[in-house]
This record gives sequence, structure tokens and C-alpha cells, in this order.
Amino acid sequence: TQLLEQSPQFLSIQEGENLTVYCNSSSVFSSLQWYRQEPGEGPVLLVTVVTGGEVKKLKRLTFQFGDARKDSSLHITAAQTGDTGLYLCAGARGNQFYFGTGTSLTVIP
Amino acid sequence: DSGVTQTPKHLITATGQRVTLRCSPRSGDLSVYWYQQSLDQGLQFLIQYYNGEERAKGNILERFSAQQFPDLHSELNLSSLELGDSALYFCASSGGTGRVEAFFGQGTRLTVV
Repeated sequence: TQLLEQSPQFLSIQEGENLTVYCNSSSVFSSLQWYRQEPGEGPVLLVTVVTGGEVKKLKRLTFQFGDARKDSSLHITAAQTGDTGLYLCAGARGNQFYFGTGTSLTVIP
Repeated sequence: DSGVTQTPKHLITATGQRVTLRCSPRSGDLSVYWYQQSLDQGLQFLIQYYNGEERAKGNILERFSAQQFPDLHSELNLSSLELGDSALYFCASSGGTGRVEAFFGQGTRLTVV
């Protein structure tokens, strides 16, 4: 069983639309990371959230860590074709990382 | 550039063979993680080493083994290869206590024919 479930699994939207990706778990994490992966490349770290309820903004991307530190969301405003990729969340507990199932985002011009 | 180096970038080998994948972590990072990613799949955690010792094991087959050397580089050994072992293999590294992020290498694409 997967410790972190992401939804939706696949998302295809028009350029300019907004979207939200969710990362849920029944477990508590000390921190949570979001990564974006392009085909054939390694995942690239986007952000780390540490405090329950924390919100971080990275240009058009807004990341939120749930109050109970069990879930997180990634909101993209006015999506661009360059946002296309696989988005992965990862929760940290001690020295161990647990990756989510991934959300494959395609932004259509 | 994440600072994590993986070699080789591509590897093509025949069934039944054995290969070794190498990973050099970021300077100062003590933990190394190995992941397998099959086509259109998520990241499957294989194994973690911390400062030379095995720390955690995931879905790693008995045909696979890994080690981390005193200079902190790591090797993943895959033996008796099968067609289904074809995948991208990623290495990630992270620091010790207080440094929570993992940084990934570019991966090794293994093709078993």
C-alpha cells in the first residue's frame, strides 16, 4: 500500500486554467516536499513545507501543508505549457522519504 | 545541476547478465537512496544507506544489492537480469539530521534485451 496518495493521477488542461493537485496520507510527516519530473529526467525539488498550515508561493505555484501535517496541496494559477510534467509529493519521517503516486499534468496550448 | 552524479547514463545488456550502477551524492550528504521507475510508473523505493550502513529497505529484489562506500558513493548491483528490470534507476541523496530534502541524479536508463 502507498503511504501517500496523490489525486488526480492524470490531468489535462488548457493553457491559462487553474488546477490543484492533492497529496494525502493517514500518517504524519515532519516535512513534505514537492518535485516535478520531466520525461527521462530526475525529479527536481520545487519546495519543502515543514510547519502545519504552512503556505509557500513560488511564482504561480502555491503549496500548502495541512494543519495536521498529513496532507498537502499544490495549486497552479494560469497554467503554462512549461508546467507539463509529473508532480510528486514526498513525505519525510526521520531519514526516510515516502513518495506519492504522482500526478501527470499536461497543459495544452 | 543537483550535485548528484549517476553513471552510466544509459546501459543496454542481455538477460541473465549483471550490471553495476554508480552514484556520487552531493557533497556533505550522508544518505543515499535508490529508486526504480518503470515506464509511466511512480518511484519505487529500493534501499537507503546512511553513512555506509543500510538504513531502510523497500521493494528490492533478492537479485539486487547495494552498498555505500567510505567515501559515501554508492553502487547498486543488479544480477540475473530479466526483461522486466528495464527501467530508470535513480539515486538521491540527502543530508544528516536537520536537512530534509532529497536531491536526485539524472538517472541510469537500463534496457535489458
